[in-house]
Amino acid sequence: DSGVTQTPKHLITATGQRVTLRCSPRSGDLSVYWYQQSLDQGLQFLIQYYNGEERAKGNILERFSAQQFPDLHSELNLSSLELGDSALYFCASSVEQAAGNTIYFGEGSWLTVV
Amino acid sequence: GDSVTQMEGPVTLSEEAFLTINCTYTATGYPSLFWYVQYPGEGLQLLLKATKADDKGSNKGFEATYRKETTSFHLEKGSVQVSDSAVYFCALSKAGTALIFGKGTTLSVSS
Repeated sequence: DSGVTQTPKHLITATGQRVTLRCSPRSGDLSVYWYQQSLDQGLQFLIQYYNGEERAKGNILERFSAQQFPDLHSELNLSSLELGDSALYFCASSVEQAAGNTIYFGEGSWLTVV
Repeated sequence: GDSVTQMEGPVTLSEEAFLTINCTYTATGYPSLFWYVQYPGEGLQLLLKATKADDKGSNKGFEATYRKETTSFHLEKGSVQVSDSAVYFCALSKAGTALIFGKGTTLSVSS
């Protein structure tokens, strides 16, 4: 158990809908990262937050947004869903942003868009 | 930009065989290097890491050495087990940046 908790574990929704994925980082971790894992694209970095502020953006679509709340949990919002958004979405956390710090991953949220 | 390249899989081995999974990177500055493992149906777990040149990371019989001169971080294990069957990801990070992953290498070990 990494200490990073993601909900829901599985989600099936229709095209055009909106979903919210939730992440609780490890106790004491200030950085939260979101990744998307799909068969064709591999592991893609989406966005990073540090202590409530956005710190880095990766390949995140405009239809996707995220935030980190004062209690440090984070939510990833996916809207106007398309079939191609079906993927495993990982949240990860680390204490801070130093390069050598270990980043711990949750078990992921499986999103299926039908 | 920074990137990580891993050998294409799948890698299929018999139990007790020697394992090498090649990983090379392209990065400016001084990245830290990582190997993560993803067992079937699970999330990613850190396997080992190295934060500077010539460091050797090791865990559970796996080893990798940070070679700056060849920009490599190859994963090795002397004797694999069936329980090592998983997907292995090489990754790098620099201060203030998220992990950049390779595409992953699937390892299948048969008894």
